[in-house]
Amino acid sequence: EDQVTQSPEALRLQEGESSSLNCSYTVSGLRGLFWYRQDPGKGPEFLFTLYSAGEEKEKERLKATLTKKESFLHITAPKPEDSATYLCAGSNSGYALNFGKGTSLLVTP
Amino acid sequence: ETGVTQSPTHLIKTRGQQVTLRCSSQSGHNTVSWYQQALGQGPQFIFQYYREEENGRGNFPPRFSGLQFPNYSSELNVNALELDDSALYLCASNHRDYKGYEQFFGPGTRLTVL
Repeated sequence: EDQVTQSPEALRLQEGESSSLNCSYTVSGLRGLFWYRQDPGKGPEFLFTLYSAGEEKEKERLKATLTKKESFLHITAPKPEDSATYLCAGSNSGYALNFGKGTSLLVTP
Repeated sequence: ETGVTQSPTHLIKTRGQQVTLRCSSQSGHNTVSWYQQALGQGPQFIFQYYREEENGRGNFPPRFSGLQFPNYSSELNVNALELDDSALYLCASNHRDYKGYEQFFGPGTRLTVL
C-alpha cells in the first residue's frame, strides 16, 4: 500500500535555529514528490515538486531534497513567519496526491 | 492570474442532509480535484475531473459525487451526511497537459455536520 510518513509530528525551533523535516514514502512508480505549506484554516500552498532522486530545489530559507526512499525539507535560519504545517505528498498516478499527516513547525523569537 | 476560489467558506448541516460545495479553478487550468481534510490529518483524495468526466477516485463512497462544467468550475455533492463528514473540503486545480503534476489549492470550505 502506498504510504507517506512525516516526522517529527511537531517541531519547535528558536529563530535562526536550522533544522530538517523528513518525509519517507513507499509509493511505487513515483511520478512526483510534493511539498506544501499550510497555515491554520487555509488551503495548502505549493512549495516544491521533486521528480527524481538527487534532485534539489530551493526557495528563500527552504531547500527540498529527494532520495530513493525519502525527502527532506531543510529550513535554514527560520523566522517566526515560517511557522506553519508542512505537508509532503507523493503521486504515482499523476492526478491523486497521497499526503502525509504533516509536521507542525513553530518558530519562536 | 486568478487563483482557486471556493464557496461557501463555512457551512453547518445536520446528519442526513445533502450539501453542495463549489469551486472555481485557477485561470488556464483544465483539471480539478477534491480533497477532504479532517482535523490534524493530511488531505485525502476524493476524486478528480478532467474534460467534465471523473478521471480517478479515492476511497470514498458513491454518496460523494461531483461535476465539472465547461468553464472548468466544479461542484462536490455529498448526500446523506454523516457526522464523520465534518472536515475541511479542498478544491485543487492544475493543467493536465503540462509536465508538472503539482496542484494548486483553494482556501477550502469548512463543513460541520451536527
